[in-house]
Amino acid sequence: DQQVKQNSPSLSVQEGRISILNCDYTNSMFDYFLWYKKYPAEGPTFLISISSIKDKNEDGRFTVFLNKSAKHLSLHIVPSQPGDSAVYFCAASGGGSNYKLTFGKGTLLTVNP
Amino acid sequence: NAGVMQNPRHLVRRRGQEARLRCSPMKGHSHVYWYRQLPEEGLKFMVYLQKENIIDESGMPKERFSAEFPKEGPSILRIQQVVRGDSAAYFCASSIPGTYQETQYFGPGTRLLVL
Repeated sequence: DQQVKQNSPSLSVQEGRISILNCDYTNSMFDYFLWYKKYPAEGPTFLISISSIKDKNEDGRFTVFLNKSAKHLSLHIVPSQPGDSAVYFCAASGGGSNYKLTFGKGTLLTVNP
Repeated sequence: NAGVMQNPRHLVRRRGQEARLRCSPMKGHSHVYWYRQLPEEGLKFMVYLQKENIIDESGMPKERFSAEFPKEGPSILRIQQVVRGDSAAYFCASSIPGTYQETQYFGPGTRLLVL
């Protein structure tokens, strides 16, 4: 029973273009969503988050969009850089267990120079 | 660097031995979480601790696994009588208490290999 799904295992983008990573969730009690970036042999690094009371949050090149009715969120990276190449995890919490993060399986982003 | 620290980074054990994984949270953080990542999978929640208290261990296997966060010193995740299926990356995270939607910051992980 996967409550957070990242259906694209991998994504390849040209440097300078937009990267769009998608995430779907099934638990309507989730009210806080986070994106983490992970390089091989390192821990996840927090990128950006969004509360369910918002539909957009922006931080530099990173923007997260939340569509609650569709139970869908996306991470936009503009412009993409080769250093952005990593695995990106979507995570969610809420519903009384606001501390317990539920992760997707991740999307490997490759940004080609 | 006051980030989350974990040691060892790599740990090799033979079946039946014990594994002890340590985690020191970020300065000012008193909430600690342990997650496990199996190959090709996302991270799975194991346990949530505050100083001297286990708050939620619903993700921990019922046998062989235990965790503590003493008043002094790091948090310890202990796996007794390890089996090959315990081979995974174990990540610790910490957060600042007192906020409803807490962002968790992760350490570099301990990669456990059971031979």
